[in-house]
Amino acid sequence: AAGVIQSPRHLIKEKRETATLKCYPIPRHDTVYWYQQGPGQDPQFLISFYEKMQSDKGSIPDRFSAQQFSDYHSELNMSSLELGDSALYFCASSLKGGVYTEAFFGQGTRLTVV
Amino acid sequence: AQKVTQAQTEISVVEKEDVTLDCVYETRDTTYYLFWYKQPPSGELVFLIRRNSFDEQNEISGRYSWNFQKSTSSFNFTITASQVVDSAVYFCALSELDSNYQLIWGAGTKLIIKP
Repeated sequence: AAGVIQSPRHLIKEKRETATLKCYPIPRHDTVYWYQQGPGQDPQFLISFYEKMQSDKGSIPDRFSAQQFSDYHSELNMSSLELGDSALYFCASSLKGGVYTEAFFGQGTRLTVV
Repeated sequence: AQKVTQAQTEISVVEKEDVTLDCVYETRDTTYYLFWYKQPPSGELVFLIRRNSFDEQNEISGRYSWNFQKSTSSFNFTITASQVVDSAVYFCALSELDSNYQLIWGAGTKLIIKP
Protein backbone atom coordinates (compact mmCIF):
# COMPACT_ATOMS: atom_id res chain seq x y z
CA ALA A 1 0.00 0.00 0.00
CA ALA A 2 1.17 3.52 -0.75
CA GLY A 3 2.58 5.39 2.21
CA VAL A 4 3.56 8.96 2.92
CA ILE A 5 6.58 9.83 0.84
CA GLN A 6 9.09 12.42 1.95
CA SER A 7 12.01 13.75 0.02
CA PRO A 8 14.85 14.04 0.36
CA ARG A 9 15.64 11.50 3.06
CA HIS A 10 18.80 13.28 4.06
CA LEU A 11 19.88 16.86 3.53
CA ILE A 12 22.99 18.73 4.55
CA LYS A 13 22.96 22.51 4.39
CA GLU A 14 25.16 25.29 5.62
CA LYS A 15 24.07 28.00 8.00
CA ARG A 16 22.00 30.74 6.38
CA GLU A 17 21.12 28.56 3.41
CA THR A 18 17.60 27.56 2.48
CA ALA A 19 16.04 24.12 2.31
CA THR A 20 12.84 22.73 0.86
CA LEU A 21 11.34 19.51 2.13
CA LYS A 22 8.62 17.73 0.22
CA CYS A 23 5.81 15.52 1.35
CA TYR A 24 3.47 13.39 -0.74
CA PRO A 25 0.52 12.17 1.34
CA ILE A 26 -1.26 8.88 1.01
CA PRO A 27 -3.66 9.04 -1.97
CA ARG A 28 -7.05 10.52 -1.00
CA HIS A 29 -5.67 11.92 2.24
CA ASP A 30 -6.46 15.61 2.34
CA THR A 31 -4.66 16.66 5.51
CA VAL A 32 -0.94 17.06 5.94
CA TYR A 33 1.00 17.73 9.13
CA TRP A 34 4.62 18.71 9.63
CA TYR A 35 6.60 17.82 12.72
CA GLN A 36 10.13 18.56 13.84
CA GLN A 37 11.96 16.10 16.08
CA GLY A 38 15.23 17.17 17.65
CA PRO A 39 17.71 14.61 18.96
CA GLY A 40 16.24 12.76 21.92
CA GLN A 41 13.05 14.80 21.76
CA ASP A 42 9.46 13.99 21.01
CA PRO A 43 8.05 15.34 17.75
CA GLN A 44 6.96 18.96 17.84
CA PHE A 45 4.03 20.03 15.71
CA LEU A 46 4.87 22.75 13.21
CA ILE A 47 1.90 23.28 10.91
CA SER A 48 -0.96 21.50 9.19
CA PHE A 49 -3.01 21.91 6.04
CA TYR A 50 -6.46 20.73 5.11
CA GLU A 51 -7.66 21.03 1.54
CA LYS A 52 -4.73 23.28 0.68
CA MET A 53 -5.51 25.76 3.43
CA GLN A 54 -3.50 26.14 6.60
CA SER A 55 -5.58 24.57 9.34
CA ASP A 56 -3.40 24.80 12.42
CA LYS A 57 -0.10 26.28 13.43
CA GLY A 58 2.29 25.11 16.09
CA SER A 59 5.81 26.09 16.96
CA ILE A 60 6.90 26.94 13.45
CA PRO A 61 9.58 29.64 13.27
CA ASP A 62 8.91 32.68 11.12
CA ARG A 63 11.84 31.62 8.94
CA PHE A 64 9.83 28.58 7.89
CA SER A 65 6.85 28.53 5.59
CA ALA A 66 4.79 25.77 4.11
CA GLN A 67 2.02 25.19 1.66
CA GLN A 68 -0.12 22.46 0.26
CA PHE A 69 -0.57 22.25 -3.48
CA SER A 70 -3.50 21.28 -5.68
CA ASP A 71 -2.28 17.68 -5.85
CA TYR A 72 -2.19 17.69 -2.01
CA HIS A 73 1.55 17.42 -1.75
CA SER A 74 3.14 19.82 0.66
CA GLU A 75 6.43 21.62 0.89
CA LEU A 76 8.18 23.01 3.94
CA ASN A 77 10.49 25.88 3.09
CA MET A 78 13.17 26.78 5.57
CA SER A 79 15.29 29.88 5.17
CA SER A 80 18.26 31.37 7.03
CA LEU A 81 19.03 27.97 8.43
CA GLU A 82 20.53 27.76 11.89
CA LEU A 83 22.46 24.97 13.55
CA GLY A 84 19.48 24.38 15.82
CA ASP A 85 17.32 23.50 12.84
CA SER A 86 19.17 20.21 12.55
CA ALA A 87 16.49 17.65 13.21
CA LEU A 88 14.30 14.95 11.77
CA TYR A 89 11.33 16.44 9.94
CA PHE A 90 8.26 14.30 9.62
CA CYS A 91 5.25 14.70 7.47
CA ALA A 92 2.03 12.88 8.31
CA SER A 93 -1.22 12.60 6.44
CA SER A 94 -4.75 11.69 7.34
CA LEU A 95 -8.29 11.91 6.04
CA LYS A 96 -10.55 14.79 6.95
CA GLY A 97 -11.32 14.56 10.61
CA GLY A 98 -7.84 15.22 11.74
CA VAL A 99 -5.34 13.35 13.67
CA TYR A 100 -7.81 11.21 15.53
CA THR A 101 -7.89 9.03 12.52
CA GLU A 102 -4.70 7.10 12.06
CA ALA A 103 -2.03 9.63 11.18
CA PHE A 104 0.44 7.95 8.91
CA PHE A 105 3.95 9.29 9.02
CA GLY A 106 6.55 9.44 6.30
CA GLN A 107 10.04 8.16 6.91
CA GLY A 108 11.27 11.64 7.69
CA THR A 109 13.90 13.94 6.30
CA ARG A 110 17.03 14.24 8.36
CA LEU A 111 18.31 17.78 8.02
CA THR A 112 21.81 18.58 9.16
CA VAL A 113 22.90 22.20 9.26
CA VAL A 114 26.65 22.73 9.39
CA ALA B 1 1.56 20.50 33.25
CA GLN B 2 2.46 17.50 31.15
CA LYS B 3 -0.55 16.23 29.30
CA VAL B 4 1.08 12.95 28.42
CA THR B 5 3.53 11.47 30.87
CA GLN B 6 5.79 8.57 30.12
CA ALA B 7 7.64 8.33 33.37
CA GLN B 8 10.04 5.64 32.23
CA THR B 9 12.82 7.29 30.28
CA GLU B 10 14.59 4.04 29.52
CA ILE B 11 13.87 0.39 30.18
CA SER B 12 16.29 -2.45 29.65
CA VAL B 13 15.23 -6.08 29.78
CA VAL B 14 16.58 -9.38 28.60
CA GLU B 15 14.99 -11.01 25.59
CA LYS B 16 11.86 -13.08 26.27
CA GLU B 17 10.93 -11.02 29.32
CA ASP B 18 7.62 -9.21 29.41
CA VAL B 19 7.77 -5.45 29.66
CA THR B 20 5.15 -2.77 30.28
CA LEU B 21 5.49 0.81 29.14
CA ASP B 22 3.45 3.27 31.14
CA CYS B 23 1.49 6.21 29.80
CA VAL B 24 -0.59 8.59 31.89
CA TYR B 25 -2.55 11.36 30.26
CA GLU B 26 -4.50 14.41 31.29
CA THR B 27 -7.50 15.88 29.51
CA ARG B 28 -10.78 17.62 30.25
CA ASP B 29 -12.38 16.44 27.04
CA THR B 30 -14.82 13.57 27.09
CA THR B 31 -13.91 12.64 23.54
CA TYR B 32 -10.25 12.05 22.94
CA TYR B 33 -7.91 9.57 21.32
CA LEU B 34 -4.80 7.83 22.50
CA PHE B 35 -2.03 6.48 20.35
CA TRP B 36 1.15 4.51 20.57
CA TYR B 37 3.93 4.91 18.04
CA LYS B 38 7.19 3.01 17.73
CA GLN B 39 10.36 4.71 16.55
CA PRO B 40 13.09 2.17 15.77
CA PRO B 41 16.73 3.22 15.40
CA SER B 42 16.13 3.83 11.71
CA GLY B 43 14.00 6.81 12.74
CA GLU B 44 10.60 6.32 11.18
CA LEU B 45 7.45 6.60 13.27
CA VAL B 46 5.38 3.46 13.11
CA PHE B 47 1.74 3.63 14.11
CA LEU B 48 0.80 0.86 16.56
CA ILE B 49 -2.65 1.62 17.91
CA ARG B 50 -5.36 4.23 18.31
CA ARG B 51 -7.98 4.04 21.01
CA ASN B 52 -10.91 6.39 21.50
CA SER B 53 -12.12 7.46 24.90
CA PHE B 54 -15.37 5.54 24.64
CA ASP B 55 -13.74 2.22 24.06
CA GLU B 56 -12.11 0.87 27.19
CA GLN B 57 -11.72 -2.61 25.83
CA ASN B 58 -8.22 -3.86 26.11
CA GLU B 59 -6.59 -4.88 22.87
CA ILE B 60 -4.18 -7.61 22.00
CA SER B 61 -2.23 -7.85 18.79
CA GLY B 62 0.20 -10.72 18.79
CA ARG B 63 2.77 -10.05 21.50
CA TYR B 64 1.47 -6.52 22.02
CA SER B 65 -1.35 -5.61 24.35
CA TRP B 66 -2.78 -2.36 25.59
CA ASN B 67 -4.57 -1.63 28.84
CA PHE B 68 -6.76 1.48 28.78
CA GLN B 69 -8.13 2.57 32.13
CA LYS B 70 -10.05 5.84 32.24
CA SER B 71 -10.30 5.67 36.03
CA THR B 72 -6.55 6.13 36.29
CA SER B 73 -6.08 8.01 32.99
CA SER B 74 -3.63 5.42 31.84
CA PHE B 75 -2.98 3.68 28.55
CA ASN B 76 -0.22 1.18 29.20
CA PHE B 77 1.49 -0.96 26.60
CA THR B 78 2.80 -4.44 27.28
CA ILE B 79 5.11 -6.51 25.13
CA THR B 80 5.20 -10.16 26.04
CA ALA B 81 8.14 -12.40 25.23
CA SER B 82 10.17 -9.39 24.10
CA GLN B 83 12.54 -9.68 21.18
CA VAL B 84 15.62 -7.73 20.20
CA VAL B 85 13.69 -6.22 17.28
CA ASP B 86 11.38 -4.56 19.79
CA SER B 87 14.22 -2.25 20.77
CA ALA B 88 13.02 1.25 19.94
CA VAL B 89 11.66 4.44 21.42
CA TYR B 90 7.96 4.18 22.08
CA PHE B 91 5.78 7.27 22.16
CA CYS B 92 2.36 7.62 23.67
CA ALA B 93 0.25 10.48 22.31
CA LEU B 94 -3.07 12.15 23.01
CA SER B 95 -5.43 13.85 20.58
CA GLU B 96 -8.18 16.02 22.08
CA LEU B 97 -10.63 18.71 21.05
CA ASP B 98 -9.03 21.24 23.42
CA SER B 99 -5.86 21.04 21.36
CA ASN B 100 -7.66 20.98 18.04
CA TYR B 101 -6.93 17.28 17.82
CA GLN B 102 -3.21 17.78 17.31
CA LEU B 103 -1.07 14.96 18.61
CA ILE B 104 0.31 15.73 22.06
CA TRP B 105 3.29 13.53 22.59
CA GLY B 106 4.82 11.99 25.64
CA ALA B 107 8.57 12.21 25.98
CA GLY B 108 9.01 8.64 24.87
CA THR B 109 10.40 5.54 26.52
CA LYS B 110 13.55 4.00 25.14
CA LEU B 111 13.23 0.24 25.29
CA ILE B 112 16.39 -1.83 25.08
CA ILE B 113 16.04 -5.57 24.65
CA LYS B 114 19.26 -7.42 25.34
CA PRO B 115 19.90 -10.80 23.71
